[in-house]
Amino acid sequence: NAGVTQTPKFRILKIGQSMTLQCTQDMNHNYMYWYRQDPGMGLKLIYYSVGAGITDKGEVPNGYNVSRSTTEDFPLRLELAAPSQTSVYFCASSRSLATNEKLFFGSGTQLSVL
Amino acid sequence: KQEVTQIPAALSVPEGENLVLNCSFTDSAIYNLQWFRQDPGKGLTSLLLIQSSQREQTSGRLNASLDKSSGRSTLYIAASQPGDSATYLCAVRRETSGSRLTFGEGTQLTVNP
Repeated sequence: NAGVTQTPKFRILKIGQSMTLQCTQDMNHNYMYWYRQDPGMGLKLIYYSVGAGITDKGEVPNGYNVSRSTTEDFPLRLELAAPSQTSVYFCASSRSLATNEKLFFGSGTQLSVL
Repeated sequence: KQEVTQIPAALSVPEGENLVLNCSFTDSAIYNLQWFRQDPGKGLTSLLLIQSSQREQTSGRLNASLDKSSGRSTLYIAASQPGDSATYLCAVRRETSGSRLTFGEGTQLTVNP
């Protein structure tokens, strides 16, 4: 049971470089999310999607872009990496907005920008 | 704006002890509250979800309670084991935030053999 899969697990970028964090889920979930977690902090929502072709900003969207061309995939793009983007990034998904609907997380991507 | 606070930030207990983790939130208009477990280098795993109409949920040695009016939730862990060592986070989904969750900073639990 794959669930939510993120790649890569670790990455080091130089300032100004770009990269795409990949996220795919095999549960046919409509809702997908990108969070970042800084040390000792809770998770902050970057972007989310309620279905293929529909995305919206979360709390901390600056410096990131997303797309959702299929139900399964929700990549996160960093165009000009900055040290402030050093963090652990988590992708998550849920099936619906029902009040008993749980959130499923990937194992995370640890990104360092030097 | 919803704010979620977890106390304590870290907790160390001997094996076998019963313990309580606390979560407080500022806006009582919530759809649900989830408790997650996070192991080092791993993603988050949902442990318990309490809907706004519920008072508590139980799973094995875990019991989570919700008091919306006071903006508080507790996670009770009975007969703690070293395998319970992890960071526990709570997250609330507000009525006005669609599908988005607001997370607390987490409580890092260490259970010593």
